[in-house]
Amino acid sequence: KAGVTQTPRYLIKTRGQQVTLSCSPISGHRSVSWYQQTPGQGLQFLFEYFSETQRNKGNFPGRFSGRQFSNSRSEMNVSTLELGDSALYLCASSSEAGLEGMNTEAFFGQGTRLTVV
Amino acid sequence: AQSVTQLDSQVPVFEEAPVELRCNYSSSVSVYLFWYVQYPNQGLQLLLKYLSGSTLVKGINGFEAEFNKSQTSFHLRKPSVHISDTAEYFCAVRRRALTFGSGTRLQVQP
Repeated sequence: KAGVTQTPRYLIKTRGQQVTLSCSPISGHRSVSWYQQTPGQGLQFLFEYFSETQRNKGNFPGRFSGRQFSNSRSEMNVSTLELGDSALYLCASSSEAGLEGMNTEAFFGQGTRLTVV
Repeated sequence: AQSVTQLDSQVPVFEEAPVELRCNYSSSVSVYLFWYVQYPNQGLQLLLKYLSGSTLVKGINGFEAEFNKSQTSFHLRKPSVHISDTAEYFCAVRRRALTFGSGTRLQVQP
């Protein structure tokens, strides 16, 4: 079956603009998580959505937001872009098992590389 | 809260030599442990996972890891590496979200 699909793969935006990234999870997966990867901070958790509800949230400012649709597709939005938002944004989907999916594998997409100039 | 420490940022090794990538974690509760690999300009691919049961876990591409609760470690090993194993490797612990270590760049030289 198809893997996690993220669009677009590459994006260049200007400081102050806003951006929306999209993620289509593996068919049947209802949990979608977003991570930011930068050389300085490494991989950091942004948020997780399950059945259209934000279930967990990382330590990022309110400029970072997300949502999930009824078909489990997810979008994340970053408003008022800053140079420091330049990063690889990774989306991961998981099936739901016991323990709210904690003991299940997360499948990652190839990421969207965002460059803010 | 949990945290993960990968003790080596870079590990150079010659082709066909064995390798060990070290990972230590801290958590006050039961955790689930994972190793992921990332090739340039790619997402993360799962190598192996420890959920429960046998402490020796075998993964893809000949990798294995051993969960050691007393030492809070989950080191990744491969008996003989190939050039194609050159990549960045991440250890992660999952409670709610995945918490990743800072990564180890494995550089396999001919």
